[in-house]
Amino acid sequence: GAVVSQHPSWVICKSGTSVKIECRSLDFQATTMFWYRQFPKQSLMLMATSNEGSKATYEQGVEKDKFLINHASLTLSTLTVTSAHPEDSSFYICSARDLFVGATYEQYFGPGTRLTVT
Amino acid sequence: DAKTTQPPSMDCAEGRAANLPCNHSTISGNEYVYWYRQIHSQGPQYIIHGLKNNETNEMASLIITEDRKSSTLILPHATLRDTAVYYCIVRVTITIPNTGNQFYFGTGTSLTVIP
Repeated sequence: GAVVSQHPSWVICKSGTSVKIECRSLDFQATTMFWYRQFPKQSLMLMATSNEGSKATYEQGVEKDKFLINHASLTLSTLTVTSAHPEDSSFYICSARDLFVGATYEQYFGPGTRLTVT
Repeated sequence: DAKTTQPPSMDCAEGRAANLPCNHSTISGNEYVYWYRQIHSQGPQYIIHGLKNNETNEMASLIITEDRKSSTLILPHATLRDTAVYYCIVRVTITIPNTGNQFYFGTGTSLTVIP
């Protein structure tokens, strides 16, 4: 089955620094990837839609200058949390759609990245 | 915004069938019903999806009412490893790359399988 990986699986950073999270589709090509954030005991909240070769589309209320998304290839999207603050501590999850025409277009999710800002 | 309503929690005895309901009374004619589950601190896992016919795969069965306003996910023989939060999502399936297909998650149902 389709596999999506994320790196790192967990990261601790100091307040004010930036941290980059990678999302890779390992065995399929994905023109579209999605980024979610999940706080403890809450549901997943869609942050942005990332399309290969174009600017990401951010959901209402998500700061595009704080959460930088780059989708430079068909298998890699990155999320950079800039000037991180403790309130950015969360579980960040990416997902990807299969480009293949015959695919059923469900999303395949990565294992998530736990970010802790101290 | 999520367009589904699910009970917040359910218990099920191990070995018994788990029936998880979902209400999607405002579903449109071209929207599919998807089910995912999330085991603690992991990414969501795809279970099944359907449009209007009942569907079955190796994991579960999906029963969609005739008016499509609600559906039920059935895990035929629940095991302890099925303890997870189950999300029901409605979404248009668009076959054109780079368009739409966003998932908006609701609060889901936390299923606990009891030994």
